[in-house]
Amino acid sequence: RKEVEQDPGPFNVPEGATVAFNCTYSNSASQSFFWYRQDCRKEPKLLMSVYSSGNEDGRFTAQLNRASQYISLLIRDSKLSDSATYLCGGPTSYDKVIFGPGTSLSVIP
Amino acid sequence: DGGITQSPKYLFRKEGQNVTLSCEQNLNHDAMYWYRQDPGQGLRLIYYSQIVNDFQKGDIAEGYSVSREKKESFPLTVTSAQKNPTAFYLCASSIQTNSPLHFGNGTRLTVT
Repeated sequence: RKEVEQDPGPFNVPEGATVAFNCTYSNSASQSFFWYRQDCRKEPKLLMSVYSSGNEDGRFTAQLNRASQYISLLIRDSKLSDSATYLCGGPTSYDKVIFGPGTSLSVIP
Repeated sequence: DGGITQSPKYLFRKEGQNVTLSCEQNLNHDAMYWYRQDPGQGLRLIYYSQIVNDFQKGDIAEGYSVSREKKESFPLTVTSAQKNPTAFYLCASSIQTNSPLHFGNGTRLTVT
């Protein structure tokens, strides 16, 4: 099993929709996770950190379920500018910081 | 402004040549990382360093080498032993293990 897994999508949603992505991890000792946004041919930018049960920032909510070992990202009222690839990741064994393959989101007018 | 700088942005090399990618940070971060990204793929960890003069192999270290002689610098050498070196290379740093990573803007390496 890979250390961090994501559904690669693509997710195609209409403007205004609510969309959720899941990310699963294999190391039960992992303490923190991060969601990054990556635009085409650019570096990833930090969207949210998740250290405990969850975190909310405007239209974005991240939740951590330790029992089932997954992290979710919920985007409400999707905007065209939300179109990007969303990467989840975090430190795993031996302090390696590993990322999932990314989930592609396209918000359609 | 503090940040992490990668240079050059684009790099072209002939097959069989070693090439070194620069990564410098002035954030006073202890940890630094190198990732490789291929088109349509996620980030794969090449090497990482938690402290000066120490570094660890990531998941795809074969054909690469690094050094960490100074806290602010973590150069990556792509050797001729790397079978498919053409990729987007990203350097990142973090203040400590459980902290978010800050990424440089990447180096696109093309080997022909």
